[in-house]
Amino acid sequence: QVQLVQSGAEVKKPGASVKVSCKASGYTFTHYYIHWMRQAPGQGLEWMGWINPSNGDTNHAQEFQGRVTMTRDTPISATYMELSRLRSDDTAVYYCARGPDFGGFDIWGQGTMVTVSS
Amino acid sequence: DIVMTQSPDSLAVSLGERATINCKSSQSVLYSSNNKNYLSWYQQKPGQPPKLLIYWASTRESGVPDRFSGSGSGTDFTLSISSLQAEDVAVYYCQQYYGTPSPMYIFGQGTKLEIK
Repeated sequence: QVQLVQSGAEVKKPGASVKVSCKASGYTFTHYYIHWMRQAPGQGLEWMGWINPSNGDTNHAQEFQGRVTMTRDTPISATYMELSRLRSDDTAVYYCARGPDFGGFDIWGQGTMVTVSS
Repeated sequence: DIVMTQSPDSLAVSLGERATINCKSSQSVLYSSNNKNYLSWYQQKPGQPPKLLIYWASTRESGVPDRFSGSGSGTDFTLSISSLQAEDVAVYYCQQYYGTPSPMYIFGQGTKLEIK
């Protein structure tokens, strides 16, 4: 079946970086953008950016410019989101999701909890 | 900045009754090129990722029960649940896509739906 499987929970210190993976299966990896969102504890959803697995093009929300890097490994159908210079308010569940052409997200990963704490 | 505002923030409805959630955008999400509203609705239960319910404002995702429906155009949208079931208890989010000058995907703040 179509699914996105993310890497496990992470605990990081302020100032460090975290890299979360998202592995796709059940569909042609290069046919759909992969988006990344996050959700702080008890809060709503925030879009971070997307990567086009076909050519590696990326686009990020302005507030993450300079801190987020999205990459892909096409042979293994995986995408990665790296967030640097972590702060305590980056503590959140990070989701990857598939983006069809209707401007939304139809398949979501299970989420990866990232905790930033000294 | 583009803002999506949902109302109410929380809602309690009796089993079998109708639930209605509203979503208002500060800018139109209707694209004249294809006459599509780029507005989606999601359901999120505790400890789970969001689940797509509705896209293009009124198209039900495959497998979603037909008691869920979406309506609206331009800046004002509604998600309706015709006959509330116990499994519908969740937080519901609207989300828009805005393409220019640079792509943006914006979520509403969420509406918590409970059983009365």
